[in-house]
Amino acid sequence: QVQLQQWGAGLLKPSETLSLTCAVYGGPFSGYFWSWIRQPPGKGLEWIGEINHSGDTNYNPSLKRRVTISVDTSKKQVSLRLRSVTAADTAVYYCARMPRGYYAQDSWGQGTLVTVSS
Amino acid sequence: QSALTQPASVSGSPGQSITISCSGTSSDVGGDNYVSWYQLHPGKAPKLMIYVVTNRPLGVSDRFSGSKSGNTASLTISGLRAEDEADYYCSSFTSSSTQVFGTGTKVTVL
Repeated sequence: QVQLQQWGAGLLKPSETLSLTCAVYGGPFSGYFWSWIRQPPGKGLEWIGEINHSGDTNYNPSLKRRVTISVDTSKKQVSLRLRSVTAADTAVYYCARMPRGYYAQDSWGQGTLVTVSS
Repeated sequence: QSALTQPASVSGSPGQSITISCSGTSSDVGGDNYVSWYQLHPGKAPKLMIYVVTNRPLGVSDRFSGSKSGNTASLTISGLRAEDEADYYCSSFTSSSTQVFGTGTKVTVL
C-alpha cells in the first residue's frame, strides 16, 4: 500500500517562498505523474501542477510563473516551490499520485496547511 | 482555465438516488474521457471515486457511478447512506494537458 508523506513550513510571511516535499513509501515511483493540489479554507480544490519521474512537468497557467515542481528519483521525493506568496496562497496543500491511464489521483498525502500571514 | 460548474448542494433521503452534474467545455469535459470524481470528508484527504468517466477504483462501492454526455458529466449515488454525506468534486484534464476541478457540491443526507 503506497503512502505519501509530506512536510514543509506551515507559516510564511508575504513574499516568502513556500517549500513542500512529498516522499513516496511502499510503492514504485516510476510510471506515475505526481501532482500538487491545494484547497484554500472554505474553497474548492485547485490543481497546481504535476511531474513524472523523468522531470516532465505541467503547470496551472495561473500559477506557472511562480511555481516549480521538481523530483528526486533516488529518494522517491517530489517537491513544490511557490514563490512570492500572498494571503491568497493560504491553503491545505496535497501531493498525490496519478497512475498512467487514470487521469486522476488515486493516492494522496495527508495534506499540509500553509498559512501566509504577516 | 475556469473551474467546472457544479451545483452548490444536493440532498436526498437514505435509500434514494441523487445525481451531481459537472459542466465544462469542449476543451475539458467534452473532449477526451478524462473526467474523475472525488469525495471529501472534513479534515481528510480526497478520495477518488470515479476515473475516466465511468471507472471505479478497487474498493469503491458500486453505488457510485459516472457518466458523460457532451460537455456535462454526472455522478450518481444510489441507495444513499449517511456516510455519503460529504463534498464531491469533479475534475477533467484539458486539451492543454492541465487539470481543472469543479466548484464542488455538498451532499446532504436528510
